[in-house]
Amino acid sequence: DQQVKQNSPSLSVQEGRISILNCDYTNSMFDYFLWYKKYPAEGPTFLISISSIKDKNEDGRFTVFLNKSAKHLSLHIVPSQPGDSAVYFCAASSSDGGATNKLIFGTGTLLAVQP
Amino acid sequence: GAVVSQHPSRVICKSGTSVKIECRSLDFQATTMFWYRQFPKQSLMLMATSNEGSKATYEQGVEKDKFLINHASLTLSTLTVTSAHPEDSSFYICSARDLRGSDTQYFGPGTRLTVL
Repeated sequence: DQQVKQNSPSLSVQEGRISILNCDYTNSMFDYFLWYKKYPAEGPTFLISISSIKDKNEDGRFTVFLNKSAKHLSLHIVPSQPGDSAVYFCAASSSDGGATNKLIFGTGTLLAVQP
Repeated sequence: GAVVSQHPSRVICKSGTSVKIECRSLDFQATTMFWYRQFPKQSLMLMATSNEGSKATYEQGVEKDKFLINHASLTLSTLTVTSAHPEDSSFYICSARDLRGSDTQYFGPGTRLTVL
């Protein structure tokens, strides 16, 4: 049962344009969402996160939008740069009172930014 | 800040031997560290949650006797793959959560294990 889904395995965008990466989840208990960027043979790098009490969080070129009713979040990168080319994973967790809140990862979207 | 290191970055071993992978949080303390495994073109799969000073919590289907986890201090967790076999070949990644912070996990660079 894939609780976090990234339905687009890949996305190609022109340099300077906006990249929009999408993520859907099924567990309504998730209340914290994160985006990670990953290059081949490297560990994921944290990009940006959002709590369920918000619907938008912005950090420089990266903005994450959360639509709780639709159980959907998206990552916007603008303007896109060739160095942004990587696999992007969304992840979610729930603060169910436990001490260790596991992250559940999506399957990733490969972003290619064309010069 | 929030740097996590892993050692070794790459290891090749013979079938039947054991391999230890270290995960360190360099500039923060982590009561909780996580071990993941990633197969080619697949997502990260959580193997176990490592808690400082207590036993690790393993995910369903992960053999605790095969993947030994020790979290001896607030900055170090180790994963030992015992009696490794070719099917254990994979990319192993650890992460750590800052003691003071949110649910954000910071990841190490990963360890590529190849079992011949």
